[in-house]
Amino acid sequence: AQKVTQAQTEISVVEKEDVTLDCVYETRDTTYYLFWYKQPPSGELVFLIRRNSFDEQNEISGRYSWNFQKSTSSFNFTITASQVVDSAVYFCALSDFSGGYNKLIFGAGTRLAVHP
Amino acid sequence: DTEVTQTPKHLVMGMTNKKSLKCEQHMGHRAMYWYKQKAKKPPELMFVYSYEKLSINESVPSRFSPECPNSSLLNLHLHALQPEDSALYLCASTEEGGTEAFFGQGTRLTVV
Repeated sequence: AQKVTQAQTEISVVEKEDVTLDCVYETRDTTYYLFWYKQPPSGELVFLIRRNSFDEQNEISGRYSWNFQKSTSSFNFTITASQVVDSAVYFCALSDFSGGYNKLIFGAGTRLAVHP
Repeated sequence: DTEVTQTPKHLVMGMTNKKSLKCEQHMGHRAMYWYKQKAKKPPELMFVYSYEKLSINESVPSRFSPECPNSSLLNLHLHALQPEDSALYLCASTEEGGTEAFFGQGTRLTVV
C-alpha cells in the first residue's frame, strides 16, 4: 500500500537552530515522485520540492536541503539556521498514479514552531 | 501566472443552505483537483477532473457536487451539508500527466 509516515507531530526550535523533518514512505511502484509542501497558517500548500525515484542526488536550495535514500525509503528535509517565517506545517507526499492521475498521498504533517 | 485562486476564502453555511466554492487557474493546466483537509489532518483527495471530465470520485457523498464548466474553472456545489463537513477545501491543478500540483489558498468552510 502507498503510505507516508511523518513520525514527528510537532517540533519546537529557537531561531537559528537547524532542524530536520523526517519522512518515510512505502510504495509498490518502481517509478514514483516524492514531494514536500509547506502550509503556513493562511492555508495554501506551497510546493517546496519534487524528487523522482531515479534521482537520489541530495538537493540544496538556500537554507533548505533534502536527503533522499531509497535504501531506507526516506526523504528527509533539513532547514538550516531556522527563522520565525519557517513556522508552518510541513507535509511530505507521495505520488500515486494507480488511478491514471496524480493523486497525492500525504503524511500526517509536522508542525514546526520557530521561536525568536 | 502560477496562481490558483479560490473563492470565497471563508464560508459559514447552515445545514439547509446551498452554496458553491469556486476555483480558477490560468496556467493552461488540464487536470484540476478538489482536496478536503480536516483540522490537524493532511489533505485528502475528493475529485479529479481531466479535460473538463470527472475522472476520479473518491467515494464522496452526493451532497458534494463538482462541476468543471471550462478548462480554467472548477466549482464545488454544496447542499445539505453536515457539521462534520466543516474543513478547509483546497483546489489544485497540474499539467496533463504532470506531477507538480499547484494549490490554492483554500476555502475554510464551517457548517452550522
